[in-house]
Amino acid sequence: DTAVSQTPKYLVTQMGNDKSIKCEQNLGHDTMYWYKQDSKKFLKIMFSYNNKELIINETVPNRFSPKSPDKAHLNLHINSLELGDSAVYFCASSLGSTGYTFGSGTRLTVV
Amino acid sequence: GQNIDQPTEMTATEGAIVQINCTYQTSGFNGLFWYQQHAGEAPTFLSYNVLDGLEEKGRFSSFLSRSKGYSYLLLKELQMKDSASYLCAVLDNDMRFGAGTRLTVKP
Repeated sequence: DTAVSQTPKYLVTQMGNDKSIKCEQNLGHDTMYWYKQDSKKFLKIMFSYNNKELIINETVPNRFSPKSPDKAHLNLHINSLELGDSAVYFCASSLGSTGYTFGSGTRLTVV
Repeated sequence: GQNIDQPTEMTATEGAIVQINCTYQTSGFNGLFWYQQHAGEAPTFLSYNVLDGLEEKGRFSSFLSRSKGYSYLLLKELQMKDSASYLCAVLDNDMRFGAGTRLTVKP
């Protein structure tokens, strides 16, 4: 199936741990993104990456780092997890100035 | 700054018509998008406007006025399955979302 797929779907971990969320797209899109959706359901851009340029939202703590092994993958690594990091994280991709296709989300719970 | 405003909640009756408004102020503009998001699921693309006017797609239509920084999403012949959050988004350098409008369709 052509899609944006991210794993895991659910992630429960303790404060202070380091974790990664993986994202892959097979749509041939040239740009990938990470969004955070908090408890109020507000979707906020964290990163965008198009193989040439990484744009970071300045409000994102440097504990969060995107890693892109190739155009089809953009993983999200989080160091020293905090309670406030609990949210749903969505990966998305796009081709040029088109609508975004979203992955199914990863619900991260930090305890 | 960037502001994208839409009502927090709306309620409508099955079979009726509902209009969800969105106003925006952004530094750039490459198009206005509407997404639907059911609880616990990913946002899915509904419509796209880059020029002024109305775009119709089945039961859903979206309108844009760039000079007024205004858009609306019109849903006709409402069905129970239309109960969801509707997200207005502006494409600047990347996609910026409003907080979403939670629509409840009642029998």
